[in-house]
Amino acid sequence: GQSLEQPSEVTAVEGAIVQINCTYQTSGFYGLSWYQQHDGGAPTFLSYNALDGLEETGRFSSFLSRSDSYGYLLLQELQMKDSASYFCAVRDRDSSYKLIFGSGTRLLVRP
Amino acid sequence: GAVVSQHPSRVICKSGTSVKIECRSLDFQATTMFWYRQFPKQSLMLMATSNEGSKATYEQGVEKDKFLINHASLTLSTLTVTSAHPEDSSFYICSAANRARFTEAFFGQGTRLTVV
Repeated sequence: GQSLEQPSEVTAVEGAIVQINCTYQTSGFYGLSWYQQHDGGAPTFLSYNALDGLEETGRFSSFLSRSDSYGYLLLQELQMKDSASYFCAVRDRDSSYKLIFGSGTRLLVRP
Repeated sequence: GAVVSQHPSRVICKSGTSVKIECRSLDFQATTMFWYRQFPKQSLMLMATSNEGSKATYEQGVEKDKFLINHASLTLSTLTVTSAHPEDSSFYICSAANRARFTEAFFGQGTRLTVV
């Protein structure tokens, strides 16, 4: 089966940097993704890592270490609008490439 | 990114009735569609995976006779909640994918189902 673990909540102040970690277990790993979801809304894609290393997209960066089954999402220059839930997700090629989500991390950005 | 349209966004129904939720991929061919359910402050739980023209594969614990999934074309999948009960009240979200672009998942807007 698949499992992903991430912290349940993180609080940070506006302008700061925050890192959200994710550890995973899956048989047919096909990349680690990150999604943002505001309350009542649908998840929106943030980033995808298939290979080890850091991917940077504006204020957001994502890192993957396949040997450690570990990744993180780094959010810089935090803004109030970044308050949301963040999910890591793995796609499993052994299971019709289904996308399995972690438990989610609620990020609260304070002024 | 690709556009996935889900309808309705909100629905209230009486216990015992059935509700159909539609998920359309508007600008690409969705070879695979995924249906998720999300309870408040929880993660997205995969209910089933459907490939166009074939039967859906349901996750363990999901009743296939209660949650009927049809994926008759490359642009449309439907989820029908049959004989709905209050415990079926939840946020249902579809995701469309194309095997050529499995790096990113495209989600519908979600459907808030309330069974009274």
